[in-house]
Amino acid sequence: EVQLVESGGGLVKPGASLKLSCVASGFTFSDYWMSWVRQTPGKTMEWIGDIKYDGSYTNYAPSLKNRFTISRDNAKSTLYLQMSNVRSEDTATYYCTRALWVPLYYFDYWGQGVMVTVSS
Amino acid sequence: DIQMTQTPSSMPASLGERVTISCRASQGISNYLNWYQQKPDGTIKPLIYYTSNLQSGVPSRFSGSGSGTDYSLTISSLEPEDFAMYYCQQYDSSPTFGGGTKLELK
Repeated sequence: EVQLVESGGGLVKPGASLKLSCVASGFTFSDYWMSWVRQTPGKTMEWIGDIKYDGSYTNYAPSLKNRFTISRDNAKSTLYLQMSNVRSEDTATYYCTRALWVPLYYFDYWGQGVMVTVSS
Repeated sequence: DIQMTQTPSSMPASLGERVTISCRASQGISNYLNWYQQKPDGTIKPLIYYTSNLQSGVPSRFSGSGSGTDYSLTISSLEPEDFAMYYCQQYDSSPTFGGGTKLELK
């Protein structure tokens, strides 16, 4: 059974940094692209970015590219999201997803989500 | 970025009713359109990919159609477990989502 379990969320002050983790199980992690998607309190969904199966390539939503960094450790089957200089508008639930490219870009498994609240 | 306009934003409906949710793209997306369901506990699962292909394990009462800029998700006969949020998602150079439709029990 595929499982994606996020952690690392919580309350953080504006301007601070935070690193989210996602531990994957039930599939060969190193064979798949992985992605982060977030959902705001108003229920808007936003794709953050993704990372190639071997970690050699990352792609980001243009509005987040300069502050968010996605990485992975295939030996630990773990995906990461490093958030820097966080703002109140980064308050959201963050989902780790497995991404498929065939026949089109598609998120076939989602974690349960982890909440991040940015507030002073 | 391609903008996705999803309608309606909420929809009261009854058990057994046939419902349709629409998604319109700001430009043609060549059928690169997926649908997801989010339950009240936050669990998200894929329903349909590439406009009309049912994800494994999804009941056949769900179907998708469309082309160009206009796409739709239809549930032929609502079951209790179908009352949830639904999102469309397109892929062009960067994936974007519709605003969501909350399907509520009338």
